[in-house]
Amino acid sequence: GENVEQHPSTLSVQEGDSAVIKCTYSDSASNYFPWYKQELGKGPQLIIDIRSNVGEKKDQRIAVTLNKTAKHFSLHITETQPEDSAVYFCAASSRIKAAGNKLTFGGGTRVLVKP
Amino acid sequence: DAGITQSPRHKVTETGTPVTLRCHQTENHRYMYWYRQDPGHGLRLIHYSYGVKDTDKGEVSDGYSVSRSKTEDFLLTLESATSSQTSVYFCAISPRLTVDPGNTIYFGEGSWLTVV
Repeated sequence: GENVEQHPSTLSVQEGDSAVIKCTYSDSASNYFPWYKQELGKGPQLIIDIRSNVGEKKDQRIAVTLNKTAKHFSLHITETQPEDSAVYFCAASSRIKAAGNKLTFGGGTRVLVKP
Repeated sequence: DAGITQSPRHKVTETGTPVTLRCHQTENHRYMYWYRQDPGHGLRLIHYSYGVKDTDKGEVSDGYSVSRSKTEDFLLTLESATSSQTSVYFCAISPRLTVDPGNTIYFGEGSWLTVV
């Protein structure tokens, strides 16, 4: 089955600096790659997603890049702010038989933005 | 918010007792999922449903059962809770078979379960 690895597990950055989180996946059939942000005590919230036929996508201060050949994708956060502090999860989606979609998650990255 | 309500939000139970977690959605989405979250493991799929009375196992289904008698409700049952099932449980929903940007999987707020 799919395996997603995420690095680093913790990331501390100074406010205003950039943060980069990297993920690799194993199943070449995976075709959708969302990123979720999870704040303390809450459920994961989708922040950006990309489909396999797109190499890069931006939304204000966040961007995701995908390299299908190398099977890795990354989240970039620019001009980090204290409210960016959270746990971030990458995921890869593959079909479950013909009956749904399974998201396989990375282990998460705890990001701390220091004022 | 994605229109997902999980209950209870917090529960402490004893080993060997049955526990049922409920997920209720107001989006009329066909696909519903139960995930568990544990440190270092991200979220792992327990069971999922692709319609009323249509369910199947995920990657960590041992010790769990599910039922879906109505589109809006998806129940997760621990028949005899064990300490290894102490975790945070998340319900998720999606509208269609193929997920895409704008047509994706949304999560509820979680249910914290402690088995003592």
